[in-house]
Amino acid sequence: EIVMTQSPATLSVSPGDTGTLSCRASQTVNANLAWYQQKPGQPPRLLIYGSSTRATDIPARFSGGGSGTEFTLTISSLQSEDFAVYYCQQYENWPRTFGQGTKVEVK
Amino acid sequence: QVQLVESGGGVVQPGRSLRLSCVASGFSLRSFGMHWVRQSPGKGLEWVALISYDAGNDQYTDSVRGRFTISRDNSKNTIYLQMNSLRADDTAIYYCARGAREFEYWGQGTLVTVSS
Repeated sequence: EIVMTQSPATLSVSPGDTGTLSCRASQTVNANLAWYQQKPGQPPRLLIYGSSTRATDIPARFSGGGSGTEFTLTISSLQSEDFAVYYCQQYENWPRTFGQGTKVEVK
Repeated sequence: QVQLVESGGGVVQPGRSLRLSCVASGFSLRSFGMHWVRQSPGKGLEWVALISYDAGNDQYTDSVRGRFTISRDNSKNTIYLQMNSLRADDTAIYYCARGAREFEYWGQGTLVTVSS
């Protein structure tokens, strides 16, 4: 099983600032990585797939990068609606696995 | 638009069974692989099972293999998760999700509570 490790657990950011989230895989997942956003009481929402491709209707302030075992999600000019929990997920191998999440909170 | 609506959750005693359903609309279910993903209260996400678009392939996470069965009825635009021998650690919100690789669309989830 591929273990996904996200850091930091909590990211405190001021509105308008840039936040960078990290995700590390225990073995290569090539570019088979997705990022999701989840707000309280809601299901996750796909943000990024293929490591760097934004999903439909996702604003350009969300950008993903990396390949192999190291990945980042960058949120530029954070808006109030961006404060949420973010998960990475690999789809290189079975079972599909998620990171434990990074909570982005208001500083 | 794409919609996924789960049902069938509830409170069940350990060792009993439950069947979840997920009705799809806004797209042809027969063209897509479908998953169940769960989230324990206050915890992270755990992928549970996949069924391929033609039901020719299924996959399970180790903790449910042999107890849970994923199936689909394309004529009813519905996928199912038959859960047997339920345990306390199966307590979670169960989401169905569409996608062969990444999970493009998610339902709102149905809560399963396993408790005596």
